[in-house]
Amino acid sequence: EVQLVESGGGLVQPGGSLRLSCAASGFTFGSYWMHWVRQAPGKGLVWVSRINSDGSSTIYADSVKGRFTISRDNAKNTLYLQMNSLRAEDTAVYYCVREGPGDVEMDVWGQGTTVTVSS
Amino acid sequence: QSVLTQPPSVSAAPGQKVTISCSGSSSNIGNNYVSWYQQLPGTAPKLLIYDNYKRPSGIPDRFSGSKSGTSATLGITGLQTGDEADYYCVTWDSSLSAVVFGGGTKLTVL
Repeated sequence: EVQLVESGGGLVQPGGSLRLSCAASGFTFGSYWMHWVRQAPGKGLVWVSRINSDGSSTIYADSVKGRFTISRDNAKNTLYLQMNSLRAEDTAVYYCVREGPGDVEMDVWGQGTTVTVSS
Repeated sequence: QSVLTQPPSVSAAPGQKVTISCSGSSSNIGNNYVSWYQQLPGTAPKLLIYDNYKRPSGIPDRFSGSKSGTSATLGITGLQTGDEADYYCVTWDSSLSAVVFGGGTKLTVL
């Protein structure tokens, strides 16, 4: 079964850091581009970042550029999101997403992990 | 303020048809493919349509997608109460060099 399982969410103070992980299984992880997408409480989906299949190319939403870093370890079938200088507005459910062969075809989603930034 | 504009809500009766629009510009919808996602309450989003009109396996043909110029449309026929969800359009924006989501549309099946 194709599956993405996020972990690492929690409560963190403003200015703090957190690293999210996403364990992939059931497919050849190293062949796919991957994304992080977030959803603030009661709000819509917002794209955060994307990484290509070998990790050599990354892009970010302006709202997280310079603070968040996406990375991957294809040997461990794991995607990461390092989040630094966290702000209250980063509070959200963070989804790990696989991009299929189509254009921005987000075909597999994890269940999400919750990040709360509060003092 | 989302780059892609969707109506906040739509509604229709069971068995009827509904369409959800997604309006953008030449830098996004006008020159890139659109995908659509369904998010049922309390769950992760699910891919409904990709490459403007293609359906992944397992998605019933009650769901359809189309694109014209700088707008895209999701159509749902034979509405069921189980279709009540939030729906999102997504595409690439060449000017922003970013993936962009619509603000989402809440579908109510009356």
